[in-house]
Amino acid sequence: SQELEQSPQSLIVQEGKNLTINCTSSKTLYGLYWYKQKYGEGLIFLMMLQKGGEEKSHEKITAKLDEKKQQSSLHITASQPSHAGIYLCGADKEGAQKLVFGQGTRLTINP
Amino acid sequence: GAVVSQHPSRVICKSGTSVKIECRSLDFQATTMFWYRQFPKQSLMLMATSNEGSKATYEQGVEKDKFLINHASLTLSTLTVTSAHPEDSSFYICSARGGGSGRSDEQFFGPGTRLTVL
Repeated sequence: SQELEQSPQSLIVQEGKNLTINCTSSKTLYGLYWYKQKYGEGLIFLMMLQKGGEEKSHEKITAKLDEKKQQSSLHITASQPSHAGIYLCGADKEGAQKLVFGQGTRLTINP
Repeated sequence: GAVVSQHPSRVICKSGTSVKIECRSLDFQATTMFWYRQFPKQSLMLMATSNEGSKATYEQGVEKDKFLINHASLTLSTLTVTSAHPEDSSFYICSARGGGSGRSDEQFFGPGTRLTVL
């Protein structure tokens, strides 16, 4: 069974539009990581959230972790072609940084 | 951010041969490294946790005799796929924890190694 559910699985948006990707766990998490991956390449670290209610921003990307530490969202404002790729959420379930990943969200930005 | 490298980036080998993949943390010491594999259009699956100076911890269903892990120094972990078969073809990615300056909770990933077994 999938331990982390990401939605949507794929997303196509017009350049300049905002978008949100969600990541949901049935269990409370020690930490929640967001990464970006281009096909066939490694993962680029985006953000890590550990505290319930925490919110972090970097450039046009904002990530939030809910109070129960079971759901996170990644929001991109005014999307650009450079934002295209696969976004993965990874959850640290045990506090040992052994990450379980969601199935990924493939983001396409149309010019 | 911290840099993690992998070598080789691509490898093609014949069935039955062994392949070694290196993972290095270039600008920090990593007491713990992780090995993942990723099949096409699927997510990453943790294979094992590699701790410097001790035996690796394998996830359920991962054959330790087939995927040999050595973490001989604080900057190098190696994954050897022994007697590789076509079903071992995959994208192998390592990650390393830490980076100094209070960044020990961050996990940085290498660029991955694509293994093709003929």
